[in-house]
Amino acid sequence: EDQVTQSPEALRLQEGESSSLNCSYTVSGLRGLFWYRQDPGKGPEFLFTLYSAGEEKEKERLKATLTKKESFLHITAPKPEDSATYLCAVQYTGGTSYGKLTFGQGTILTVHP
Amino acid sequence: GAVVSQHPSWVICKSGTSVKIECRSLDFQATTMFWYRQFPKQSLMLMATSNEGSKATYEQGVEKDKFLINHASLTLSTLTVTSAHPEDSSFYICSATGHDYEQYFGPGTRLTVT
Repeated sequence: EDQVTQSPEALRLQEGESSSLNCSYTVSGLRGLFWYRQDPGKGPEFLFTLYSAGEEKEKERLKATLTKKESFLHITAPKPEDSATYLCAVQYTGGTSYGKLTFGQGTILTVHP
Repeated sequence: GAVVSQHPSWVICKSGTSVKIECRSLDFQATTMFWYRQFPKQSLMLMATSNEGSKATYEQGVEKDKFLINHASLTLSTLTVTSAHPEDSSFYICSATGHDYEQYFGPGTRLTVT
């Protein structure tokens, strides 16, 4: 069964304290792994797509990496405005729904000033 | 670019009535649109996948007669919740994907059934 697991469920950081969020997956035929940010009461905001092991992408204080089993979202020197729920989703090549995403449960990040 | 809109952003309706939610891709043609629902403090659950001009594909456990999906054009999909009940109250989010496979989400619609 295809599964996407995110850890930790919640993470509290002090401003400037760097850390990483994890997304592990057991999906055969991975097409892409997606990271989104979601603020309360809003739709997910696209951050990154990773397609192959070894790939890395950066955007401001965020850096996403991908291996054959997991992805990390590294947050460097976070600020309070980085507080949000970070969602990982996997898209696979098989199945009947073209482009379907399977989401993890998310990591709630809180950055204290 | 890659903007997806939803309308309305929130709606309150009485039990037994129907509600229609629109999802539009504003600056690209969406080959596929997806509908999700999200309960408080939970992740997104895919309800159905729709392709322009085709019948929607529903996920297991989603009642197709209750959640009617129409994808009339490459920029518009609608979700109609028929005979809504309080347990249908949720946050409904659509997403759209073009030829690059990347999926862009709308801002969501908060449905409250009284």
